[in-house]
Amino acid sequence: QVQLVQSGAEVKKPGASVKVSCKASGYTFTSYGISWVRQAPGQGLEWMGWISAYNGNTNYAQKLQGRVTMTTDTSTSTAYMELRSLRSDDTAVYYCARRTGPYSSNEYGNYMDVWGKGTTVTVSS
Amino acid sequence: SYELTQPPSVSVSPGQTARITCSGDALPKQYAYWYQQKPGQAPVLVIYKDSERPSGIPERFSGSSSGTTVTLTISGVQAEDEADYYCQSADSSGTYGVFGGGTKLTVL
Repeated sequence: QVQLVQSGAEVKKPGASVKVSCKASGYTFTSYGISWVRQAPGQGLEWMGWISAYNGNTNYAQKLQGRVTMTTDTSTSTAYMELRSLRSDDTAVYYCARRTGPYSSNEYGNYMDVWGKGTTVTVSS
Repeated sequence: SYELTQPPSVSVSPGQTARITCSGDALPKQYAYWYQQKPGQAPVLVIYKDSERPSGIPERFSGSSSGTTVTLTISGVQAEDEADYYCQSADSSGTYGVFGGGTKLTVL
């Protein structure tokens, strides 16, 4: 079955970086993209961006540009999300999700159909 | 930045119909998607491309679109449908994804 398995919880100090992994199985990795979504405690979902597993193209939310980098390793069917210069308001559960349409950078008609269970990132001094 | 607006909460009795709306200026140009999230769990896709239902999602879940508003309808609500529901779409250019603020569905 299609599955996304995320790495374990992280605790980081302000100013540090975190790198979350998302290992895919049960489908052809390069036929989809991977989106990243986060959810602060008690808050709603926030779209962070996505990466095509087909060609590595990325698109990041404007508020995160310059601090976030999304990558993939097709040899292991794993996607990564690195967030730098962490602040307390980056404390959240970070989800990866399979994104349809790996060839199109446009969000039109593309959506997240399978989600990982989430990785808790806590930023605290 | 572009926003999608949802009511914070909706309450219905078991067996009734729940309707959750989502409004946004770009919705006539962009598809909407709906996700269900139960406490402590990851979101689950329940509607895609305005009105399509993924396999495994009960038929009581349906979606519709009219102008700048999309609606998730749950017919014959069951206790297990109590959850937070999020609409998701994109800005008018399709460059950025966006989520609504979420609606908490309470089954009385």
